[in-house]
Amino acid sequence: EAQVTQNPRYLITVTGKKLTVTCSQNMNHEYMSWYRQDPGLGLRQIYYSMNVEVTDKGDVPEGYKVSRKEKRNFPLILESPSPNQTSLYFCASSRGRWSYEQYFGPGTRLTVT
Amino acid sequence: GQQLNQSPQSMFIQEGEDVSMNCTSSSIFNTWLWYKQDPGEGPVLLIALYKAGELTSNGRLTAQFGTTRKDSFLNISASIPSDVGIYFCAGQDGGSNYKLTFGKGTLLTVNP
Repeated sequence: EAQVTQNPRYLITVTGKKLTVTCSQNMNHEYMSWYRQDPGLGLRQIYYSMNVEVTDKGDVPEGYKVSRKEKRNFPLILESPSPNQTSLYFCASSRGRWSYEQYFGPGTRLTVT
Repeated sequence: GQQLNQSPQSMFIQEGEDVSMNCTSSSIFNTWLWYKQDPGEGPVLLIALYKAGELTSNGRLTAQFGTTRKDSFLNISASIPSDVGIYFCAGQDGGSNYKLTFGKGTLLTVNP
C-alpha cells in the first residue's frame, strides 16, 4: 500500500530534550515536506526537500532541522524542544517533476512541557 | 505571502443536504487541490485541478477551478454522516519550490 508513515504518533517530552520524528514514504517520491498544524493558524510548512541531499526552509523553520540522506526518509529533528513547539506535525510527499499533489502522513502529536 | 480565504469557516447541515464551500486568492494559482482531514488523522487528497475552468468529480464530490484562476469551489451532494471533517483547499502558483498555500479549512458537521 502506497503510504507515508510517521513515528511516533504521540510524544510527550520535556524542554531541551532532543528528539527526532521519523517520516518514510514508499512511493519513490522526490519531494518531501514537514508541516505543523496549530488551531487558528492552519498548516504551515517547516522544511522541504526537493530530492536527496537537497533541503530548504519553509515558512517556520526556527528550532527545527531536517536531513535527506535517502529518498524515502525525511526525519524532523528538534535539537532543544520548547513548549511553543507543542503542535501536530505532518510529513507529506509528492512525486515532484511538476506534480504538486502532496500525500500526508497520519501526524505526530507532540507535547513539550 | 500568499493567502487563501476559505469560506465558510464551519457548516452545520442535515444528512442528505448539499454542501458548497470555496476558496479565493488575491493571486493566481496554476493548481488547486482539495483535502479532507478526519479528527486525529492527516489530510487526504480528494480532488486535484490543473486547468482554469476545469470541473472534476470524485463520487459525490465536485470541484471547479475558477476561470480567473483565483478561486476554486467544492460541492458535496447528498451529504452523509461520514462527510464530517475539515475540508482544506490548497493552491500552487507554479513556483519551482512546489510550495502549497493552504486555506484555514471548513469544518463540516452533518446531523443524521
